[in-house]
Amino acid sequence: GQQVMQIPQYQHVQEGEDFTTYCNSSTTLSNIQWYKQRPGGHPVFLIQLVKSGEVKKQKRLTFQFGEAKKNSSLHITATQTTDVGTYFCAVSGGYQKVTFGTGTKLQVIP
Amino acid sequence: EPEVTQTPSHQVTQMGQEVILRCVPISNHLYFYWYRQILGQKVEFLVSFYNNEISEKSEIFDDQFSVERPDGSNFTLKIRSTKLEDSAMYFCASSSKTTGEGNTIYFGEGSWLTVV
Repeated sequence: GQQVMQIPQYQHVQEGEDFTTYCNSSTTLSNIQWYKQRPGGHPVFLIQLVKSGEVKKQKRLTFQFGEAKKNSSLHITATQTTDVGTYFCAVSGGYQKVTFGTGTKLQVIP
Repeated sequence: EPEVTQTPSHQVTQMGQEVILRCVPISNHLYFYWYRQILGQKVEFLVSFYNNEISEKSEIFDDQFSVERPDGSNFTLKIRSTKLEDSAMYFCASSSKTTGEGNTIYFGEGSWLTVV
C-alpha cells in the first residue's frame, strides 16, 4: 500500500515563529489530505489537494502539493498556542482506504 | 455541525474477552470506517463499510475483528478474544462520498480500549 513519511517527527517553536511539516511519498499520489489532531482529540480534516503544484490557504495555514505529486507541505505562519497538536498528511489509496502519514507533533512555547 | 458519536469513551477489558465498540455515523453519510491509533503512533486504517458490506480492509483487520450495521443508525466494531496489543484508541468515521473522490472524512471522538 501507499506509504507517506512526514518530517520532522517533532517540532518545538516559539509562539510567533513559523512552522512547516513535509510529507513525502515514493509514488505519485492522486490526492493528499491534511488533518490536525489536538492532544487527546480526534483527527479533524483540514484540506485536500488534488492538482499538481496546487497551493491552498486557510488563514495562517498554507498547503502545497508538489509538481510531481509526490510531496506536500503545510506551513503555519506566526504560530499560536492554539496550533498545538499533531498534523497528519493522508492519502486516498484504493476505493475508500485513507492512509495516514507518521505525523508531526507541534509544540508551541508561549 | 453534525458529528460522529462513539460509545463507550473508555473501556477496560480482560485479555481474552470480547468487546463491542459502537458508533453512530452522521445521518446522511453512506461510507463508514474504523481506524485505530496506538498511543503516540499514527492513525491506522482498519476497515471501510458501504452498502452493508465491507468494501476494504487492512491487514490489521483479521478474523478477530468484525463490523456490523445492526440497524439504520449504529455501526459497530467487535473485537473477539482481545489481546494486550489491541489496547488503542479506536476511531469511527463516516463520509458522504467515497474517499477516491476526495471527500471529507469525519471522525468521532474515539473509544479508548485498554486490555489488561
